[in-house]
Amino acid sequence: AQKITQTQPGMFVQEKEAVTLDCTYDTSDPSYGLFWYKQPSSGEMIFLIYQGSYDQQNATEGRYSLNFQKARKSANLVISASQLGDSAMYFCAMRESNNAGNMLTFGGGTRLMVKP
Amino acid sequence: DVKVTQSSRYLVKRTGEKVFLECVQDMDHENMFWYRQDPGLGLRLIYFSYDVKMKEKGDIPEGYSVSREKKERFSLILESASTNQTSMYLCASSLASTGTGELFFGEGSRLTVL
Repeated sequence: AQKITQTQPGMFVQEKEAVTLDCTYDTSDPSYGLFWYKQPSSGEMIFLIYQGSYDQQNATEGRYSLNFQKARKSANLVISASQLGDSAMYFCAMRESNNAGNMLTFGGGTRLMVKP
Repeated sequence: DVKVTQSSRYLVKRTGEKVFLECVQDMDHENMFWYRQDPGLGLRLIYFSYDVKMKEKGDIPEGYSVSREKKERFSLILESASTNQTSMYLCASSLASTGTGELFFGEGSRLTVL
């Protein structure tokens, strides 16, 4: 079974609007962490935001926020006020506490395209 | 500035050739990883290492091997390259114990096997 599912292969958003990228996960581990990474066309993976399973509040980092719904096992990324530079691939990932070496499991990714 | 450096951004190899992908990190991280990225499949873990000379198989180790002789260097080896190993390869590293377990990535090596 897929541990991380991103159901939107591609999305368009108008510049300056907000956009939500979906991520659902599957784990029986009570302690886990959820990550979002951005990959521009240049290829490097840029860490955006992290949410721990025991964190009481949704994580925020500037224009990025993570809508964490634990009961639904979802960890959607919200980008506010989209910019042209937000056009990229976005990956959701999970680390489970029993993962040796802190390995992350990644979803298939969502390609976001920001329209001017 | 922290850095993970992959030796080659682009490689073209022939079927059957032996291929070495090198990765060096300057952050004194214990953990190092090799992922493969394919469209629609995201990143899949090939191998990882949590210490010098230690290695663990990931989800797709077949056709690959790794070497970690020094803490800062983690090499991915394709003993006999095949066309289905054409892909983007990403190296990453992380601390053994940290608040988040964030991975730091290199810029990737795009391998084409003809």
